[in-house]
Amino acid sequence: RKEVEQDPGPFNVPEGATVAFNCTYSNSASQSFFWYRQDCRKEPKLLMSVYSSGNEDGRFTAQLNRASQYISLLIRDSKLSDSANYLCVVTDSGGYNKLIFGAGTRLAVHP
Amino acid sequence: SAVISQKPSRDICQRGTSLTIQCQVDSQVTMMFWYRQQPGQSLTLIATANQGSEATYESGFVIDKFPISRPNLTFSTLTVSNMSPEDSSIYLCSVDRGRATYTQYFGPGTRLTVL
Repeated sequence: RKEVEQDPGPFNVPEGATVAFNCTYSNSASQSFFWYRQDCRKEPKLLMSVYSSGNEDGRFTAQLNRASQYISLLIRDSKLSDSANYLCVVTDSGGYNKLIFGAGTRLAVHP
Repeated sequence: SAVISQKPSRDICQRGTSLTIQCQVDSQVTMMFWYRQQPGQSLTLIATANQGSEATYESGFVIDKFPISRPNLTFSTLTVSNMSPEDSSIYLCSVDRGRATYTQYFGPGTRLTVL
């Protein structure tokens, strides 16, 4: 079983749509959680951290369910510029800041 | 965030040769990381590099194949030794700015093709 699992997609949605991505992780001792986005042929960039209470940043909302080891990302009012690969990332339970990356969910927003 | 640069941005190399990739950060950082991203795959951590100590390698990666230097708090190098086509990949460095956030910022990557 992969340490971080994501639906690879692609999700093809029209502009203005709401889209949700899910992610599950296997290590119950993971402490920190993130969503990164990676554009084609670019480096990953931090989109947002994910907190137990849930958090929102503009059109983006992230949720964490520790009991189910499940993370979600909701994007409202999709823009063309949201097209990217969205990586679910969790920290390892080790003593240093090792990040475990999911393979990503690809989003394509079309006009 | 941090400003991170990598050199070279891309290279095409012959099998059996070695390539050293440089990573420069605009400010001092404690931890630097080296990742590999093979075509169509996600990122895999190669090693963690702290200044003044030996790099810590992940399972499946060894120092003889991927020697790392960390001479100061703003710079690190990764060498890919005795390359084979299987080493064709994107190599990325990242930094952790600390403050217990565990967020990492990535350099632009080095795209390596081994013939």
